[in-house]
Amino acid sequence: ILNVEQSPQSLHVQEGDSTNFTCSFPSSNFYALHWYRWETAKSPEALFVMTLNGDEKKKGRISATLNTKEGYSYLYIKGSQPEDSATYLCAPMAAGNKLTFGGGTRVLVKP
Amino acid sequence: GAVVSQHPSRVICKSGTSVKIECRSLDFQATTMFWYRQFPKQSLMLMATSNEGSKATYEQGVEKDKFLINHASLTLSTLTVTSAHPEDSSFYICSASAGDRYEQYFGPGTRLTVT
Repeated sequence: ILNVEQSPQSLHVQEGDSTNFTCSFPSSNFYALHWYRWETAKSPEALFVMTLNGDEKKKGRISATLNTKEGYSYLYIKGSQPEDSATYLCAPMAAGNKLTFGGGTRVLVKP
Repeated sequence: GAVVSQHPSRVICKSGTSVKIECRSLDFQATTMFWYRQFPKQSLMLMATSNEGSKATYEQGVEKDKFLINHASLTLSTLTVTSAHPEDSSFYICSASAGDRYEQYFGPGTRLTVT
């Protein structure tokens, strides 16, 4: 069982500011790292799947990096907007395509 | 594309009854579906993996006789909570994968309350 930690658990961001948060996990026994964005009452939305050390992915104002050697991933939001308010989940994928989720980082963007 | 639906979104049932939750992939064929649950203030926890046409595999600590999973077609998997008890009250959510890729697409979840 992988131990996946996300920090901080929550954060408040002023509209227009940039922010980032962390996902840490054991650096072995996984082959992909997933990020999801989850708004209340909706399905978790797949943001990124990363597999290679040093991988960087970008989707609009959101980007993510992956360090497989030390077991962490950062997710960045540039110029936060109220619609970025959501819980961001990370999940390493192990054998059998099984995901182990962290507790999430709840982001609230204040206008 | 890659839309997954779940039904019902909320259900309240009495202790001792059974409840069925459906998970459907609407625009792709899901060779594998996964069932998770989330207790308050906890992470999503994988319960079982379901492959079309074969028996589900359950994670440690999940009772297969209590949580019956059927994946009879490439677009539908069902989770039946049998003889539900208040401690089964939770948020249940499914994901679906086309099998040849890493992506998993999630449904919106089902809130089960057992009274």
